[in-house]
Amino acid sequence: GAVVSQHPSRVICKSGTSVKIECRSLDFQATTMFWYRQFPKQSLMLMATSNEGSKATYEQGVEKDKFLINHASLTLSTLTVTSAHPEDSSFYICSARDRERVNTGELFFGEGSRLTVL
Amino acid sequence: RKEVEQDPGPFNVPEGATVAFNCTYSNSASQSFFWYRQDCRKEPKLLMSVYSSGNEDGRFTAQLNRASQYISLLIRDSKLSDSATYLCVGVKTSYDKVIFGPGTSLSVIP
Repeated sequence: GAVVSQHPSRVICKSGTSVKIECRSLDFQATTMFWYRQFPKQSLMLMATSNEGSKATYEQGVEKDKFLINHASLTLSTLTVTSAHPEDSSFYICSARDRERVNTGELFFGEGSRLTVL
Repeated sequence: RKEVEQDPGPFNVPEGATVAFNCTYSNSASQSFFWYRQDCRKEPKLLMSVYSSGNEDGRFTAQLNRASQYISLLIRDSKLSDSATYLCVGVKTSYDKVIFGPGTSLSVIP
């Protein structure tokens, strides 16, 4: 149980285009989803916290108009990188908290999406 | 001060060795603690939750020291497959955002 599916796993796009990444909890309802970004040989950096039905909370330095997050249901959150540039190339990972196991604090991660902007 | 600090390593140890990592956290209100493992170019996976009384899972032992605000992970009889980056995290409540430490890189060599 507690599977999080993230799609696409890899995407290559041209500079200036927008890319949407989906994060789905397959067998549980996620109260909260987190979006992280990780550059090579660096740590996971929290970008934003997303709660179903409300606006995402962005970390300092993360542009909310560039990284659009939508959390329309308890099982789906999307991250859209708008007008992507080469410096946005990174590994984007989502994670979710299980509504039924929220007291454990445990996170379940998607497989990650590797974005390359040419 | 960063919320979570770890020695990034790398720790290079021979097979069979015992290795220990420490992680310090700045938020004294943190209640839940975890160790995650991340393999290269993969997502993190939960390794262990850390309890106040300490807990053990096979070759892995986790300890929490609230007075000094650090958690530790001990790996005994290291295997080649233990090579990975180990991430620690502490959260204040179950609803709190989750900030990861920078991770400690471990390489177990034959």
